Amino acid sequence: KNEVEQSPQNLTAQEGEFITINCSYSVGISALHWLQQHPGGGIVSLFMLSSGKKKHGRLIATINIQEKHSSLHITASHPRDSAVYICAVSRGTSGSRLTFGEGTQLTVNP
Amino acid sequence: EPEVTQTPSHQVTQMGQEVILRCVPISNHLYFYWYRQILGQKVEFLVSFYNNEISEKSEIFDDQFSVERPDGSNFTLKIRSTKLEDSAMYFCASSRRSGGGNEQFFGPGTRLTVL
Repeated sequence: KNEVEQSPQNLTAQEGEFITINCSYSVGISALHWLQQHPGGGIVSLFMLSSGKKKHGRLIATINIQEKHSSLHITASHPRDSAVYICAVSRGTSGSRLTFGEGTQLTVNP
Repeated sequence: EPEVTQTPSHQVTQMGQEVILRCVPISNHLYFYWYRQILGQKVEFLVSFYNNEISEKSEIFDDQFSVERPDGSNFTLKIRSTKLEDSAMYFCASSRRSGGGNEQFFGPGTRLTVL
């Protein structure tokens, strides 16, 4: 069983829709990371959070430590949001390595 | 804005050959990492490096792999004798300080193709 599970694996939306990507993890963590991987392969860090909620532009990330669950929301989605969104965790017992989920392929159609 | 850079962007090599992948981390960062992503699979941790030594490595990082910080700016990953299954995208990352919560900044990746 993967330590980090994401859902859905694939998501297709129409421009303007509100999008939610979910992440569950099964291990103790010190932080959860949301990353974006572009079609060319590059990885960009979107959020790092250990509690509560963070917002950056149209992106919102939340985490519930008790339930070991995080969500990434995109409001007013746009075709340029099309990418793979990856959840990763830093495990307190393992230092700074990131353990990655499989990723969610998001396609936003105009 | 400072960024992690990697060279080359694409490396093609024959099985059994040695390859060196190069990374220049962000200048004031202290922790360096290599990850890899086989096509269609998730990103996997290889190794982390701090204070001129390996701080953690995964089971993937066997004797065929080595890392080095040969000078004040470069961080390299060497694969001694490449195998077909080493074909993957290799990402370098760096962070300012340790502790699991610290944000990691990724380079654009090197696509390694082993023929």
